[in-house]
Amino acid sequence: GENVEQHPSTLSVQEGDSAVIKCTYSDSASNYFPWYKQELGKGPQLIIDIRSNVGEKKDQRIAVTLNKTAKHFSLHITETQPEDSAVYFCAARTPSGTYKYIFGTGTRLKVLA
Amino acid sequence: EADIYQTPRYLVIGTGKKITLECSQTMGHDKMYWYQQDPGMELHLIHYSYGVNSTEKGDLSSESTVSRIRTEHFPLTLESARPSHTSQYLCASSSSGQPSFGNGTRLTVT
Repeated sequence: GENVEQHPSTLSVQEGDSAVIKCTYSDSASNYFPWYKQELGKGPQLIIDIRSNVGEKKDQRIAVTLNKTAKHFSLHITETQPEDSAVYFCAARTPSGTYKYIFGTGTRLKVLA
Repeated sequence: EADIYQTPRYLVIGTGKKITLECSQTMGHDKMYWYQQDPGMELHLIHYSYGVNSTEKGDLSSESTVSRIRTEHFPLTLESARPSHTSQYLCASSSSGQPSFGNGTRLTVT
């Protein structure tokens, strides 16, 4: 069945460094890829998304890249800050019109001050 | 910020009790979802709905049931809670875009 692999499962970086989280999806027809940030005690919140007709999207310190050929997409956080510490999820939307989202297994990011 | 509400936030209950987890959204979204989140972080879809009177089982088998009598309301019921049901339950809703999540209900069955 469809699945999304996410790596790494945990990531520790020094404040000010960059963090990269990578996902691979299995269904080549997937056409929309949101990224979520989940802070302790809260539900996941959308932070950035990308559609299949775009290769890269940036929003301040956050960027997402998509390689449709390789079925890879990645989240890049630059100049990390302690408040970036959270669990991050990638997701892929199945294209069948059912609006089902397949989530990655999550990455716990720790930014060390 | 998403207008989707889950109650209660925390629930501790004994084995065999019937429970209902509430989820409401004020955005008029037609699609609603329930996810079960492991302590290890993974999100598993257990139920979804595309509109009133529409409910489907998700990818992870669950003993819970759901109903969708009103657009804004998507409650989840466990007829007889067991310790294996201990988990975080997240509700979400969407229209044509990505799901918006509530803050979850953390259920502990003793």
